[in-house]
Amino acid sequence: QQQVKQSPQSLIVQKGGISIINCAYENTAFDYFPWYQQFPGKGPALLIAIRPDVSEKKEGRFTISFNKSAKQFSLHIMDSQPGDSATYFCAASERNTPLVFGKGTRLSVIA
Amino acid sequence: EAQVTQNPRYLITVTGKKLTVTCSQNMNHEYMSWYRQDPGLGLRQIYYSMNVEVTDKGDVPEGYKVSRKEKRNFPLILESPSPNQTSLYFCASALRDPNYGYTFGSGTRLTVV
Repeated sequence: QQQVKQSPQSLIVQKGGISIINCAYENTAFDYFPWYQQFPGKGPALLIAIRPDVSEKKEGRFTISFNKSAKQFSLHIMDSQPGDSATYFCAASERNTPLVFGKGTRLSVIA
Repeated sequence: EAQVTQNPRYLITVTGKKLTVTCSQNMNHEYMSWYRQDPGLGLRQIYYSMNVEVTDKGDVPEGYKVSRKEKRNFPLILESPSPNQTSLYFCASALRDPNYGYTFGSGTRLTVV
């Protein structure tokens, strides 16, 4: 049973465009929603995270939008750059329980 | 530098030959975990440990063992590797639980022939 569904599997965006990756979850007890970024040959690294008491969190060009009623959250990358090309994973968890990861989105930003 | 160190980075072995992948962290983190990453399947948790001498199964524990005798080390043991364990493995640690944010190692690419 996949608890966090991530889409799309792959995404190609022009330089300067907006990249949008979506995730949906089923467990209403989830209270922590991070996004991880993974470059080829490296381990994933925490990019940004949100808790359900806010609907949006922004860090630089990266924004998480959270819709509690729809049980969805998304990552927006503004002014996408070739250096943003990586695989992105969404995840979710309850406190003191293991993180559940989505299957990942491979983003390619082309000039 | 705060980091999670895995060794080896690459390993090719034969079916049935016991192997250990080491993982060490220098951040005094209580929580450590092992994941495998396979194309199309994302990151799947193998085992995790909330503290010394405490380990629990993740989603795909079959064929793996772990131990947590010291806070900093969390080795992954494959007693009798099989080809379906060919994968990219990541060790990760977090301060108390994953809600504090994971630090991942650089990965171990294992091939079992």
